[in-house]
Amino acid sequence: NAGVTQTPKFQVLKTGQSMTLQCAQDMNHEYMSWYRQDPGMGLRLIHYSVGAGITDQGEVPNGYNVSRSTTEDFPLRLLSAAPSQTSVYFCASSYSSKAGGGLPLHFGNGTRLTVT
Amino acid sequence: AQRVTQPEKLLSVFKGAPVELKCNYSYSGSPELFWYVQYSRQRLQLLLRHISRESIKGFTADLNKGETSFHLKKPFAQEEDSAMYYCALSASPGAGSYQLTFGKGTKLSVIP
Repeated sequence: NAGVTQTPKFQVLKTGQSMTLQCAQDMNHEYMSWYRQDPGMGLRLIHYSVGAGITDQGEVPNGYNVSRSTTEDFPLRLLSAAPSQTSVYFCASSYSSKAGGGLPLHFGNGTRLTVT
Repeated sequence: AQRVTQPEKLLSVFKGAPVELKCNYSYSGSPELFWYVQYSRQRLQLLLRHISRESIKGFTADLNKGETSFHLKKPFAQEEDSAMYYCALSASPGAGSYQLTFGKGTKLSVIP
């Protein structure tokens, strides 16, 4: 059971480049989300999804796009990378979104992104 | 709006001493509170949630609605408790909110 898998683990981009951070879960979780972790800022929610075909914005969505075409995958796209997007990105999932609220999240190992 | 405050960025205690990691929250409704932990080079993982009222790895946390607090406590710190701890809040089930709000975290360092 792999849980939540994120790729790549590390990435360096130049300003203006685009890329996609991959997230996949094999637990049949309805709820998936992306957070960024910055020193002194904790974790901030970027985007989330409560099921295939449904996405919504979190606290810091600007500069990021998401889609949820399948239950398993929730990729995060950086359209035009900026140095302010240098961060560690975590994908997290939860088994049900119907009840709402913050059901226990299962986290991936993170992607460390540097934008120069 | 929901907000979580962890007033201490860093907390250092000696092995065997009691530990209390503070968490205060702001939320107009009935919240669900969680503690997550991140050990060095590991992924974040759930430590405990208030509705479970359980003790995990010797840690407990009690929700105090009057003081809007959810402090994490352990009577005797161990070196393996050294980690980053995050308090998190969400709306109660059925409230229609799917956002889990995290505090900025407290780094616990247990001195041998």
